[in-house]
Amino acid sequence: GAGVSQSPSNKVTEKGKDVELRCDPISGHTALYWYRQSLGQGLEFLIYFQGNSAPDKSGLPSDRFSAERTGGSVSTLTIQRTQQEDSAVYLCASSSQGDRGQPQHFGDGTRLSIL
Amino acid sequence: QQQVKQSPQSLIVQKGGISIINCAYENTAFDYFPWYQQFPGKGPALLIAIRPDVSEKKEGRFTISFNKSAKQFSLHIMDSQPGDSATYFCAPSGESNYQLIWGAGTKLIIKP
Repeated sequence: GAGVSQSPSNKVTEKGKDVELRCDPISGHTALYWYRQSLGQGLEFLIYFQGNSAPDKSGLPSDRFSAERTGGSVSTLTIQRTQQEDSAVYLCASSSQGDRGQPQHFGDGTRLSIL
Repeated sequence: QQQVKQSPQSLIVQKGGISIINCAYENTAFDYFPWYQQFPGKGPALLIAIRPDVSEKKEGRFTISFNKSAKQFSLHIMDSQPGDSATYFCAPSGESNYQLIWGAGTKLIIKP
């Protein structure tokens, strides 16, 4: 596709369940980011992948959060034993190199609601 | 050193007016200063960006002004239109070469 694709667009689940969020970056983009955006707030960095390098996981809020990127393309963000405070929009972005001079291209996010 | 302060939190401007959003930062190592625009239900998109070797950059109705000594940069939207109604984020670069430090956002409403 032409842009970053995220699925599902909306996810409602019960507290304590595990969820998986998917991101398809722009073809050829080596850098991939996950962010969390709470209602009316700014973006909170979660994790960064660049090529085959070890990811920067410094933004993950707890060990319930994990992410992987297979084959340098598709990425999955997993939240285990979800809590109500996990409710937010999860945004994925990709860029051609990861250098700050390269714009980050965002998907439209997954809106996660924990009941 | 990583803090970014964006103001105002919200702004209402009449159609045709000038919208001004400000971003103050602390980290003198920042050397990339972008503004992102986000519409409801969409992800942010890069609007305009500046490097510190220039004090101003203009693209159409959008201008970034940069004041290195004051550690501030601002977004000016000339002849503001209802279609400019969105949330705007400043996101200067951190000391790493890939991580942007995001402001809290400014919700801009242009009244027709």
